[in-house]
Amino acid sequence: GAVVSQHPSWVICKSGTSVKIECRSLDFQATTMFWYRQFPKQSLMLMATSNEGSKATYEQGVEKDKFLINHASLTLSTLTVTSAHPEDSSFYICSASGDSRDNEQFFGPGTRLTVL
Amino acid sequence: KQEVTQIPAALSVPEGENLVLNCSFTDSAIYNLQWFRQDPGKGLTSLLLIQSSQREQTSGRLNASLDKSSGRSTLYIAASQPGDSATYLCAVRRNYGQNFVFGPGTRLSVLP
Repeated sequence: GAVVSQHPSWVICKSGTSVKIECRSLDFQATTMFWYRQFPKQSLMLMATSNEGSKATYEQGVEKDKFLINHASLTLSTLTVTSAHPEDSSFYICSASGDSRDNEQFFGPGTRLTVL
Repeated sequence: KQEVTQIPAALSVPEGENLVLNCSFTDSAIYNLQWFRQDPGKGLTSLLLIQSSQREQTSGRLNASLDKSSGRSTLYIAASQPGDSATYLCAVRRNYGQNFVFGPGTRLSVLP
């Protein structure tokens, strides 16, 4: 299957700082990327959907000014957690899909964010 | 709004047993259903993808079935091994281009 990478794989930051997470599709053009969040011992919850060249669509309860999503190219989407706080500590996973017949989604390996 | 549940929440079995994990979803209008495996602290590994028109998919010791009309899917694992220990997630998509809705997962422990 296709490959999606995330960088960094883990990050520790101080409260109040901003953190950028990158999601890249390595061998296909991702017209749509999704950002999910997973708290400890819980399942994945969708945060937002981004289409290349358009503004992201955020799920109810997700602050768009706090979680900035940019999908400027067909291979890269970024999630920036602004003014991070300890409650933002979580596992962030992106997925990407292109225009294949089955529109299969491929998941990145995730980024573990810890805010001190 | 689509909701996905998984039973049991946790399962512990001795090595060699065959086992079944269950997934239910409330809205039967799905595009596809996918089973994933997640090891502690890691990302998702795709196991089986079933399109809405399909009834089952098989890969090695794994078999997944889909009964769309009743909103159910099962993942059958034959001859379980300690290396199968992980959390198994079921997820459904409503339409082409849309996101997955995930179940809470079943945490499986296979004892040697």
